[in-house]
Amino acid sequence: SSELTQDPAVSVVLGQTVRITCQGDSLRRYYGCWYQQKPGQAPVLVTYGKNDRPSGIPDRFSGSMSGNTASLTITGAQAEDEADYYCNSRDNSGHYVFGPGTKVTVL
Amino acid sequence: QVQLQQWGAGLLKPSETLSLTCAVYGGSFSDYYWTWIRQPPGKGLESIGEINHSGTTTYNPSLKSRVTMSVDTSKNQFSLKLTSVTAADTAVYYCARVRGKWDVAVVPAVPYWYFDVWGRGTLVTVSS
Repeated sequence: SSELTQDPAVSVVLGQTVRITCQGDSLRRYYGCWYQQKPGQAPVLVTYGKNDRPSGIPDRFSGSMSGNTASLTITGAQAEDEADYYCNSRDNSGHYVFGPGTKVTVL
Repeated sequence: QVQLQQWGAGLLKPSETLSLTCAVYGGSFSDYYWTWIRQPPGKGLESIGEINHSGTTTYNPSLKSRVTMSVDTSKNQFSLKLTSVTAADTAVYYCARVRGKWDVAVVPAVPYWYFDVWGRGTLVTVSS
């Protein structure tokens, strides 16, 4: 399968922890990465590889991989973390593929 | 600090050719692959394809018949052409830098890629 699947939406209480998952067969072969996108802005890379973050990304964002699942955890969610989050990897044919996105609402 | 600056026509008629260019400032052009991604209004991200400084390309199979990517190494620029556009091609088009790595701490080693620098996006609207 060339698809990555994500839950459409999740909510988290301010200061609490939320985990977003992305599933796909190709994630058994390749690590995924995660992008945050706020309205009207370009996506921003937040985690990549097994659990790396670009400079400038707060350490409350962490990534992990297990089997066919990539996960993004926000520990101590802040109001500014409200955004759409997309996972990304390659499919089994080698082409880049994105998950459909998860809208995170901070309550 | 690497920056990508992109430009191109924002309004097209059906059947016309979309043409966008992305310039790379402040970093190496030849050490990376470069990619185009699009996002229809209110929808998710879609990969269009990638290209390196030598012109080696990989295209999304769903767009392959209409897509051409090219590079101009003298200007550190890469370009996208999409022919025979329709309303379904209306989207914000982004250019981005591709990073590719291997996790060699595991056996077998695991490859992974990510897009670490993005352009600001260009809205292309196809309308008669």
